[in-house]
Amino acid sequence: DGGITQSPKYLFRKEGQNVTLSCEQNLNHDAMYWYRQDPGQGLRLIYYSQIVNDFQKGDIAEGYSVSREKKESFPLTVTSAQKNPTAFYLCASSSRDRGPGELFFGEGSRLTVL
Amino acid sequence: QKEVEQDPGPLSVPEGAIVSLNCTYSNSAFQYFMWYRQYSRKGPELLMYTYSSGNKEDGRFTAQVDKSSKYISLFIRDSQPSDSATYLCAINQAGTALIFGKGTTLSVSS
Repeated sequence: DGGITQSPKYLFRKEGQNVTLSCEQNLNHDAMYWYRQDPGQGLRLIYYSQIVNDFQKGDIAEGYSVSREKKESFPLTVTSAQKNPTAFYLCASSSRDRGPGELFFGEGSRLTVL
Repeated sequence: QKEVEQDPGPLSVPEGAIVSLNCTYSNSAFQYFMWYRQYSRKGPELLMYTYSSGNKEDGRFTAQVDKSSKYISLFIRDSQPSDSATYLCAINQAGTALIFGKGTTLSVSS
C-alpha cells in the first residue's frame, strides 16, 4: 500500500541534542512538507520541498533543517537552536496531479524534550 | 488579523445532531478551501475540498463556501460517535502552501 511513513513515533531528547525525524513516501509525489502541531495552534509549516535538491522555509523554520536528496525522502532535523521543540511533527506529500490542497499525511512523530 | 480563524471548541453534541463547523479568512485571493479530519494521535486526512462558492455534498457531509463573506462551513448530518475528531479548515491560492485553521474538536456522544 502506498503511503507516508514517519519514524520514530515517539522520541525523547535531552536539551542541547539534535534529533532527526524520518519521512519516507512511496506515492511518487513531487512535493513534501513538514508541519508542527501544538495544542490549540493548528498546523504550522516548517519547511517544504517541491522537487529534489530544493526546499523552502515555511513560517517557523528557525531551529530546523531539512534535506531532499531523494524524491521519496525528506528528513527533518530539530537542532539545539530550536527553543521549544516539544511538539507533534507531521510530514505530508502532494502530487501535481491532484488538487492543490490535497495533502497526504503520515502518522506523526511526537518529540519530547526532557 | 490572522489569515484563517477557526473556533477551537470543544464542541459536544448527541448522536444524530447536525453539526456546523466554521472558519473565516481574510484574504480574498484565496481560491481553494479544504476540510481535514484528524483523529487523536493520527495525521489529518482530507475530508472535502471545494474551489468555488456554493455547496458541495458528500454523503452526510456538506462543505459550503461564501467568498463574499470570506466564510467557509462544514455541516455534518446525523452525526455519529465515529465523527468525533478534530476538524481543520485549510485554504490557499495557486502556487502557495496551505494555511490551516487551529482546528475544532468535536465529540459526538451515543
